[in-house]
Amino acid sequence: QSVLTQPPSVSAAPGQKVTISCSGGSSNIGNNYVSWYQHLPGTAPKLLIYDNNKRPSGIPDRFSGSKSGTSATLGITGLQTGDEADYYCGTRDSSLSAGVFGGGTKLTVL
Amino acid sequence: QVRLVESGGGVVQPGRSLRLSCATSGFTFSSYGMHWVRQAPGKGLEWVALILYDGSNKFYADSVKGRFTISRDNSKNILYLQMNSLRPEDTAVYHCAKDQTYGDYVIDFWGQGTLVIVSS
Repeated sequence: QSVLTQPPSVSAAPGQKVTISCSGGSSNIGNNYVSWYQHLPGTAPKLLIYDNNKRPSGIPDRFSGSKSGTSATLGITGLQTGDEADYYCGTRDSSLSAGVFGGGTKLTVL
Repeated sequence: QVRLVESGGGVVQPGRSLRLSCATSGFTFSSYGMHWVRQAPGKGLEWVALILYDGSNKFYADSVKGRFTISRDNSKNILYLQMNSLRPEDTAVYHCAKDQTYGDYVIDFWGQGTLVIVSS
């Protein structure tokens, strides 16, 4: 059981938009920055969003992040088949003095 | 470019020990916090441990606290994970990962991982 809660799966058609939610509490999302990662099985995960809404260099602006209270959201517009992957939110939990990830969301581009 | 290469994985019996290593290059190792993150078969990512840039502080997931020890050699640019009293539930791919700064839990680069199987 993950500290952060994500939907197990989401799907949308190519070209469409999808959002992935990440719900936590005051000890994690509520008082810490949120990051988002893309992971294709068998490869190294990739940082997509950090500090709630910032994109590392090289990440297209199709990817966006937001945070409100104890929840965060990843948005992906202009979906491509290459976006099919598992997506994870992550942050620090101040009570645990530890890092935490969501359970992951599998994105299917129909 | 940043390169993180894990080694030391394999098959080990429950209760035994294993040490993972992560050779790094392409950045100033001594300036960044470093993590271990694992993924059990069919499961999601699980954060395991963090060591600050200078080794002054270490943090662990409850699931490994008291059994695993993270360490680093800043003269050799290598990260380690000493795993003792291994359990079947420790079976996973273990990723070495670089923090974006001294240790603020933003991971900007990951290694491909090394597989650890705990089985009799």
